[in-house]
Amino acid sequence: DQQVKQNSPSLSVQEGRISILNCDYTNSMFDYFLWYKKYPAEGPTFLISISSIKDKNEDGRFTVFLNKSAKHLSLHIVPSQPGDSAVYFCAASEGFGNEKLTFGTGTRLTIIP
Amino acid sequence: DTEVTQTPKHLVMGMTNKKSLKCEQHMGHRAMYWYKQKAKKPPELMFVYSYEKLSINESVPSRFSPECPNSSLLNLHLHALQPEDSALYLCASSPRGGRGVGQSTDTQYFGPGTRLTVL
Repeated sequence: DQQVKQNSPSLSVQEGRISILNCDYTNSMFDYFLWYKKYPAEGPTFLISISSIKDKNEDGRFTVFLNKSAKHLSLHIVPSQPGDSAVYFCAASEGFGNEKLTFGTGTRLTIIP
Repeated sequence: DTEVTQTPKHLVMGMTNKKSLKCEQHMGHRAMYWYKQKAKKPPELMFVYSYEKLSINESVPSRFSPECPNSSLLNLHLHALQPEDSALYLCASSPRGGRGVGQSTDTQYFGPGTRLTVL
């Protein structure tokens, strides 16, 4: 049972435009969410996170939005750059003292120059 | 030093071999993790060590045996693996090893992984 889902396996966006990556979850106990970026032959790199007490968190070109009632989060990248081409995973955790992250299936983002 | 290192990068082993994967971090992190990632799938948690003690074992078969000799080092000992165990094995570390009331989830920092092939 996939508790964190990324329904778009791939996404292509023109350089300079906005990239929007989506993530849905089913476990209502999840209260902290993270986005990771992964290049081939490298481990995932942490990008940005959000706690369930917030609905938005921004860091430079990256903004994460959380809609708790819809159990949905999204990552906005603006403007998109060629170096943003990678696989993006969303991840979630539940409860205090819980170190377990549950990852989504990933979305491959391709930025077209 | 702000990275997690893993050795070897690639490993090919037979089903009767015994081998070990090694992970190291010098960021003073108190939690370390092993994940397994199959092609086109998300990373799946295997083990968590918090303050050098095993805190989570996600029902991993005994042919995988983790070891945490000290707070900077994490090993994964492999014995009698099956071809379906072929995957990318990722190590991660995080600062606190779990969160308390009012704290955010620890951010996990990943190494580059070891690509394991079992023949």
